[in-house]
This record gives sequence, structure tokens and C-alpha cells, in this order.
Amino acid sequence: AQKITQTQPGMFVQEKEAVTLDCTYDTSDQSYGLFWYKQPSSGEMIFLIYQGSYDEQNATEGRYSLNFQKARKSANLVISASQLGDSAMYFCAMREGRHSGAGSYQLTFGKGTKLSVIP
Amino acid sequence: DAGVIQSPRHEVTEMGQEVTLRCKPISGHNSLFWYRQTMMRGLELLIYFNNNVPIDDSGMPEDRFSAKMPNASFSTLKIQPSEPRDSAVYFCASSSYPEGPREDTQYFGPGTRLTVL
Repeated sequence: AQKITQTQPGMFVQEKEAVTLDCTYDTSDQSYGLFWYKQPSSGEMIFLIYQGSYDEQNATEGRYSLNFQKARKSANLVISASQLGDSAMYFCAMREGRHSGAGSYQLTFGKGTKLSVIP
Repeated sequence: DAGVIQSPRHEVTEMGQEVTLRCKPISGHNSLFWYRQTMMRGLELLIYFNNNVPIDDSGMPEDRFSAKMPNASFSTLKIQPSEPRDSAVYFCASSSYPEGPREDTQYFGPGTRLTVL
């Protein structure tokens, strides 16, 4: 079973409108973290937003917010007031638990959603 | 502050040649990750280091791939011999072992686009 599922291969949104990119995850860990990254056509991976499993409030970073529904195991990214520069691939990722004594961890990525913003 | 630095940005080589990709993590970060991105397989973790020690290399596809981290500011990923199926974008990322939950965010370098002919 996939640990991170992004069901929307591609999305279109009108400039200045809001858009929601879906992400569901699968884990049995109690402590985990969820991340969203943006990859524009230039190729770099840009960190957008983080949500911890114990965070009671949804994370927000400027125009980005994360709609975290723990019981549903979903962590959808909401982009408000879309801009042309938001056109990119968006990846959801999960960090599960921590390797005891080793100090670090792995990220598992979804397959991504390609967002196109229409003028 | 400088982000993660990777070199070269583009590499074109012929099958059978040795390829070395380089990475300089963000200063102060103690975890380093090598990923490979292809259309078919998406983003895959190849190996990661913590405090210069390899922790998990189970994602390294085969013995042709090797990675080293001789010090906290430098890592290499080597492919010898290279094959056309190794063509991909290779990313290096770094993070700091967290005092709090946000500090473990992985920051990515610009990637190296490798083409093996």
C-alpha cells in the first residue's frame, strides 16, 4: 500500500482563486510529520509547509495552509489567491517516527500533483 | 545563508564512465540525504547520513552506486560504471536533528540532471 497518495495528477485553477490539493497518508506511528514541497519547471524542490501529528491547529504559511484531518489521515494543501507563479508540481511527503538512537528519519513522497494557474 | 549546493548541475556522460556528484549541505545541518527523481519512479531516497555516518543505504539500487560523507560539509554520490537507466535528476537534501518539530525539515539542493548515453 502506498504511504502517501495524491489522487490528482493535474489540476487547473483560475488566477486569484483558491485551490485544494489532496493528500492522504498511511501510517501506524503516533508521531509523524507531513510536508508539502513545490517543484517549479526549473526543477528545484521548495519546502512550503509542515504539520506535526500532535499539532492541534492547522499549519499556515502565508497563502499556504494545510487542512489536517487526522482521523481521515488527510493533509490537503490549500493555496489561496492563486498566482501564475504557483504553476508547478506539488509533492506531499511524510516523516514517520524516528529511528531510535540514529537521530534521523526518512521522507516518503507522493507522486505529485501538477497545478496549472490560468490567467 | 547559502542553501544546499550541488555540482555539477548537468552531467552528460557515456555508458561505462564513472560519474561523481557532489553536495555541500547547509552549515550546521547534521543529516544529509541523496534522492533520485525519475518520471517512472518519482522521488526515491537512495541513502542518508547522520553525523557523517551512513544510516540507511537500502535505497541504493546496486553496487555500482556508492556514497561517502568524509566530513560535515561534503558528500559524494558515485556511479561506476554508469548505465543509461541511471539517467535521472539526483537531489541532495540536508536537515538538522531537531530540537523541535520544525527543525527536521529537509532542504533540497537544485539537483544534478544526469544523462547517460
